[in-house]
Amino acid sequence: NAGVMQNPRHLVRRRGQEARLRCSPMKGHSHVYWYRQLPEEGLKFMVYLQKENIIDESGMPKERFSAEFPKEGPSILRIQQVVRGDSAAYFCASSPPSGTSYEQYFGPGTRLTVT
Amino acid sequence: DQQVKQNSPSLSVQEGRISILNCDYTNSMFDYFLWYKKYPAEGPTFLISISSIKDKNEDGRFTVFLNKSAKHLSLHIVPSQPGDSAVYFCAASAKGGGSNYKLTFGKGTLLTVNP
Repeated sequence: NAGVMQNPRHLVRRRGQEARLRCSPMKGHSHVYWYRQLPEEGLKFMVYLQKENIIDESGMPKERFSAEFPKEGPSILRIQQVVRGDSAAYFCASSPPSGTSYEQYFGPGTRLTVT
Repeated sequence: DQQVKQNSPSLSVQEGRISILNCDYTNSMFDYFLWYKKYPAEGPTFLISISSIKDKNEDGRFTVFLNKSAKHLSLHIVPSQPGDSAVYFCAASAKGGGSNYKLTFGKGTLLTVNP
């Protein structure tokens, strides 16, 4: 029973490049969330998606960041033209359909380093 | 604006003794609270949760207490074991606000259990 999977685990990008982070939810989970953790900080909510729908992106920076959860395949968090301040750990979480559980189950994270 | 606060960045206890981790919140709309445990280079792991209609929830060695009037919750681990050494995050969500999925995290407390 695989948990939430994220890849890559580590990603190094130069300033100005694009970063693509992938997340496969747990089996049976249809809700995906992305969080960012800056050094010495707690996790901050970024976006909540269901299949083919962005439900809430209120935590996403207005520019350069986008997320999708297509009908087939993993959820993708995309950061265009990365800057040093984007260096952080990005965690994906998933949960069952609404009404069954409020707990979110997290993947191991992708550690993005921008040089 | 830190809505969930964990004022102790670190805590050190002896094996076999009780560990008490504290969390305060400011948002009166929060009505569901969770504790996560995180090892280095891994994602947070769900530990235990409590709804605001309860004041205590117990699961094995872990007990969470909620004091709504004080907007305070605590996680008790007894007896503490060296394997409990990790960062513990308190998180909260607002079920009634229509955004129960949005977890707000504290900055975490590093627990060290000494053999």
